[in-house]
Amino acid sequence: GQQVMQIPQYQHVQEGEDFTTYCNSSTTLSNIQWYKQRPGGHPVFLIQLVKSGEVKKQKRLTFQFGEAKKNSSLHITATQTTDVGTYFCAAKGETSGSRLTFGEGTQLTVNP
Amino acid sequence: DGGITQSPKYLFRKEGQNVTLSCEQNLNHDAMYWYRQDPGQGLRLIYYSQIVNDFQKGDIAEGYSVSREKKESFPLTVTSAQKNPTAFYLCASSFLQGLSANYGYTFGSGTRLTVV
Repeated sequence: GQQVMQIPQYQHVQEGEDFTTYCNSSTTLSNIQWYKQRPGGHPVFLIQLVKSGEVKKQKRLTFQFGEAKKNSSLHITATQTTDVGTYFCAAKGETSGSRLTFGEGTQLTVNP
Repeated sequence: DGGITQSPKYLFRKEGQNVTLSCEQNLNHDAMYWYRQDPGQGLRLIYYSQIVNDFQKGDIAEGYSVSREKKESFPLTVTSAQKNPTAFYLCASSFLQGLSANYGYTFGSGTRLTVV
Protein backbone atom coordinates (compact mmCIF):
# COMPACT_ATOMS: atom_id res chain seq x y z
CA GLY A 1 0.00 0.00 0.00
CA GLN A 2 0.85 3.67 0.09
CA GLN A 3 3.95 4.52 2.15
CA VAL A 4 4.88 7.88 3.54
CA MET A 5 8.18 8.69 5.22
CA GLN A 6 8.33 11.57 7.68
CA ILE A 7 11.45 13.15 9.17
CA PRO A 8 12.75 13.96 11.66
CA GLN A 9 11.19 11.66 14.24
CA TYR A 10 12.00 14.06 17.09
CA GLN A 11 12.87 17.75 17.22
CA HIS A 12 13.78 19.77 20.28
CA VAL A 13 13.93 23.55 19.90
CA GLN A 14 14.24 26.63 22.05
CA GLU A 15 11.20 28.84 22.10
CA GLY A 16 11.49 31.33 19.26
CA GLU A 17 13.42 29.00 16.94
CA ASP A 18 11.92 27.73 13.70
CA PHE A 19 10.86 24.13 13.07
CA THR A 20 10.33 22.10 9.91
CA THR A 21 9.05 18.57 9.32
CA TYR A 22 9.20 16.81 5.97
CA CYS A 23 7.06 14.15 4.38
CA ASN A 24 8.08 12.07 1.34
CA SER A 25 6.43 9.48 -0.86
CA SER A 26 7.83 7.36 -3.67
CA THR A 27 4.55 7.67 -5.59
CA THR A 28 2.49 10.62 -6.75
CA LEU A 29 -0.07 11.71 -4.21
CA SER A 30 -3.60 12.88 -4.82
CA ASN A 31 -3.46 15.15 -1.81
CA ILE A 32 -1.75 15.48 1.53
CA GLN A 33 -3.11 16.48 4.91
CA TRP A 34 -1.44 17.62 8.12
CA TYR A 35 -2.55 16.86 11.67
CA LYS A 36 -1.40 17.90 15.14
CA GLN A 37 -1.66 15.66 18.19
CA ARG A 38 -1.07 17.26 21.57
CA PRO A 39 0.44 15.01 24.30
CA GLY A 40 -2.30 12.71 25.60
CA GLY A 41 -4.72 13.92 22.95
CA HIS A 42 -6.02 12.91 19.57
CA PRO A 43 -4.98 14.12 16.10
CA VAL A 44 -6.61 17.33 14.92
CA PHE A 45 -6.86 18.21 11.24
CA LEU A 46 -4.83 21.29 10.26
CA ILE A 47 -4.95 21.56 6.48
CA GLN A 48 -5.21 19.77 3.13
CA LEU A 49 -3.01 20.47 0.09
CA VAL A 50 -4.17 19.36 -3.33
CA LYS A 51 -2.40 21.28 -6.08
CA SER A 52 1.16 20.86 -7.31
CA GLY A 53 3.42 23.50 -5.74
CA GLU A 54 0.67 24.69 -3.42
CA VAL A 55 1.65 26.85 -0.43
CA LYS A 56 -0.77 27.65 2.39
CA LYS A 57 -0.27 29.63 5.57
CA GLN A 58 -2.00 29.56 8.93
CA LYS A 59 -0.50 32.29 11.13
CA ARG A 60 3.04 31.03 11.92
CA LEU A 61 2.54 27.72 10.06
CA THR A 62 3.46 27.34 6.38
CA PHE A 63 2.53 24.22 4.44
CA GLN A 64 3.98 23.29 1.06
CA PHE A 65 3.19 20.59 -1.49
CA GLY A 66 5.98 19.69 -3.90
CA GLU A 67 5.82 20.32 -7.61
CA ALA A 68 5.85 16.58 -8.32
CA LYS A 69 3.22 15.96 -5.59
CA LYS A 70 5.54 13.49 -3.87
CA ASN A 71 6.64 15.55 -0.89
CA SER A 72 5.38 18.12 1.56
CA SER A 73 6.64 20.20 4.44
CA LEU A 74 5.32 22.03 7.47
CA HIS A 75 7.32 24.98 8.75
CA ILE A 76 6.63 26.78 12.02
CA THR A 77 8.18 30.22 12.46
CA ALA A 78 9.21 31.35 15.95
CA THR A 79 7.92 28.36 17.89
CA GLN A 80 5.93 28.81 21.07
CA THR A 81 5.30 26.36 23.92
CA THR A 82 1.78 25.91 22.60
CA ASP A 83 3.27 24.30 19.46
CA VAL A 84 4.34 21.24 21.46
CA GLY A 85 2.95 18.00 20.08
CA THR A 86 3.36 15.47 17.30
CA TYR A 87 2.78 16.59 13.73
CA PHE A 88 1.63 13.99 11.23
CA CYS A 89 1.37 14.14 7.50
CA ALA A 90 -1.27 11.91 5.93
CA ALA A 91 -1.35 11.10 2.27
CA LYS A 92 -3.95 9.91 -0.15
CA GLY A 93 -2.71 8.05 -3.19
CA GLU A 94 -4.38 8.39 -6.54
CA THR A 95 -6.29 5.10 -6.11
CA SER A 96 -6.76 5.09 -2.33
CA GLY A 97 -10.42 5.98 -2.11
CA SER A 98 -10.96 7.92 1.11
CA ARG A 99 -8.27 6.17 3.14
CA LEU A 100 -5.21 8.05 4.29
CA THR A 101 -1.78 6.69 5.10
CA PHE A 102 -0.15 8.48 8.00
CA GLY A 103 3.52 9.23 8.39
CA GLU A 104 5.15 8.26 11.67
CA GLY A 105 5.02 11.82 12.91
CA THR A 106 7.52 14.36 14.20
CA GLN A 107 7.41 14.94 17.93
CA LEU A 108 8.19 18.58 18.70
CA THR A 109 9.27 19.77 22.13
CA VAL A 110 9.80 23.47 22.83
CA ASN A 111 11.98 24.61 25.70
CA PRO A 112 10.84 27.93 27.20
CA ASP B 1 -22.59 20.04 18.87
CA GLY B 2 -21.57 17.61 16.16
CA GLY B 3 -18.74 15.27 16.93
CA ILE B 4 -17.40 11.77 17.24
CA THR B 5 -17.59 9.89 20.52
CA GLN B 6 -15.54 6.94 21.60
CA SER B 7 -16.22 4.90 24.68
CA PRO B 8 -14.93 3.85 27.05
CA LYS B 9 -11.91 6.10 27.54
CA TYR B 10 -9.98 3.37 29.39
CA LEU B 11 -10.55 -0.35 29.11
CA PHE B 12 -8.90 -3.29 30.81
CA ARG B 13 -9.20 -6.76 29.36
CA LYS B 14 -8.10 -10.13 30.55
CA GLU B 15 -6.17 -12.29 28.14
CA GLY B 16 -8.46 -14.50 26.09
CA GLN B 17 -11.42 -12.12 26.20
CA ASN B 18 -13.03 -10.30 23.32
CA VAL B 19 -13.82 -6.63 23.87
CA THR B 20 -15.80 -4.11 21.80
CA LEU B 21 -14.91 -0.44 21.46
CA SER B 22 -17.68 1.97 20.61
CA CYS B 23 -17.52 4.78 18.03
CA GLU B 24 -20.46 7.04 17.21
CA GLN B 25 -20.56 10.18 15.04
CA ASN B 26 -23.28 12.73 14.33
CA LEU B 27 -21.40 14.64 11.64
CA ASN B 28 -23.25 12.89 8.81
CA HIS B 29 -19.88 11.62 7.61
CA ASP B 30 -19.93 8.81 5.05
CA ALA B 31 -16.67 7.13 5.98
CA MET B 32 -15.37 5.84 9.30
CA TYR B 33 -11.99 4.44 10.28
CA TRP B 34 -10.21 2.64 13.09
CA TYR B 35 -6.54 3.29 13.80
CA ARG B 36 -4.18 1.84 16.34
CA GLN B 37 -1.41 3.96 17.89
CA ASP B 38 1.43 2.48 19.94
CA PRO B 39 3.58 4.69 22.20
CA GLY B 40 5.76 7.07 20.21
CA GLN B 41 4.52 5.71 16.91
CA GLY B 42 2.26 6.72 14.09
CA LEU B 43 -1.24 5.61 13.25
CA ARG B 44 -1.85 2.24 11.62
CA LEU B 45 -5.14 1.55 9.87
CA ILE B 46 -7.12 -1.44 11.13
CA TYR B 47 -10.41 -1.24 9.20
CA TYR B 48 -12.39 1.38 7.34
CA SER B 49 -15.87 1.74 5.93
CA GLN B 50 -17.05 4.10 3.21
CA ILE B 51 -20.70 3.05 3.19
CA VAL B 52 -23.16 1.26 5.43
CA ASN B 53 -22.91 -2.55 5.40
CA ASP B 54 -19.51 -2.47 3.74
CA PHE B 55 -15.99 -2.27 5.14
CA GLN B 56 -12.43 -3.01 4.08
CA LYS B 57 -9.37 -4.31 5.87
CA GLY B 58 -6.58 -1.88 6.57
CA ASP B 59 -2.93 -2.69 7.12
CA ILE B 60 -3.28 -4.55 10.45
CA ALA B 61 -6.76 -6.16 10.42
CA GLU B 62 -5.75 -9.55 11.87
CA GLY B 63 -7.37 -10.16 15.27
CA TYR B 64 -9.96 -7.40 14.82
CA SER B 65 -13.52 -7.28 13.49
CA VAL B 66 -15.95 -4.47 12.70
CA SER B 67 -19.51 -3.86 11.61
CA ARG B 68 -21.26 -0.91 9.97
CA GLU B 69 -24.98 -1.43 10.37
CA LYS B 70 -25.72 2.29 10.74
CA LYS B 71 -24.06 5.33 9.20
CA GLU B 72 -23.43 6.78 12.65
CA SER B 73 -21.79 3.76 14.27
CA PHE B 74 -18.64 1.72 13.61
CA PRO B 75 -17.80 -0.56 16.57
CA LEU B 76 -14.47 -2.39 16.72
CA THR B 77 -14.09 -5.78 18.39
CA VAL B 78 -10.64 -6.76 19.58
CA THR B 79 -10.67 -10.54 19.62
CA SER B 80 -8.59 -12.96 21.62
CA ALA B 81 -6.71 -13.71 18.40
CA GLN B 82 -5.03 -10.29 18.55
CA LYS B 83 -1.59 -11.10 19.94
CA ASN B 84 -0.66 -7.70 21.34
CA PRO B 85 -3.82 -5.65 21.85
CA THR B 86 -2.54 -3.13 24.40
CA ALA B 87 -2.62 0.19 22.55
CA PHE B 88 -4.42 3.49 22.01
CA TYR B 89 -7.33 3.04 19.60
CA LEU B 90 -8.56 6.00 17.59
CA CYS B 91 -11.76 6.18 15.59
CA ALA B 92 -12.17 8.81 12.87
CA SER B 93 -14.75 9.86 10.33
CA SER B 94 -14.81 11.96 7.17
CA PHE B 95 -16.78 12.86 4.13
CA LEU B 96 -15.65 10.90 1.11
CA GLN B 97 -12.58 12.57 -0.34
CA GLY B 98 -12.94 15.33 -2.83
CA LEU B 99 -11.17 18.54 -3.65
CA SER B 100 -12.77 20.52 -0.85
CA ALA B 101 -10.48 21.83 1.86
CA ASN B 102 -12.84 20.42 4.46
CA TYR B 103 -12.25 16.72 3.87
CA GLY B 104 -10.00 16.13 6.83
CA TYR B 105 -10.67 13.40 9.33
CA THR B 106 -12.36 14.12 12.63
CA PHE B 107 -10.96 11.93 15.38
CA GLY B 108 -12.56 10.76 18.58
CA SER B 109 -10.70 11.15 21.86
CA GLY B 110 -9.60 7.51 21.79
CA THR B 111 -9.79 4.39 23.94
CA ARG B 112 -6.73 3.16 25.84
CA LEU B 113 -6.92 -0.63 25.99
CA THR B 114 -4.74 -2.56 28.43
CA VAL B 115 -4.55 -6.32 28.63
CA VAL B 116 -4.05 -7.53 32.20
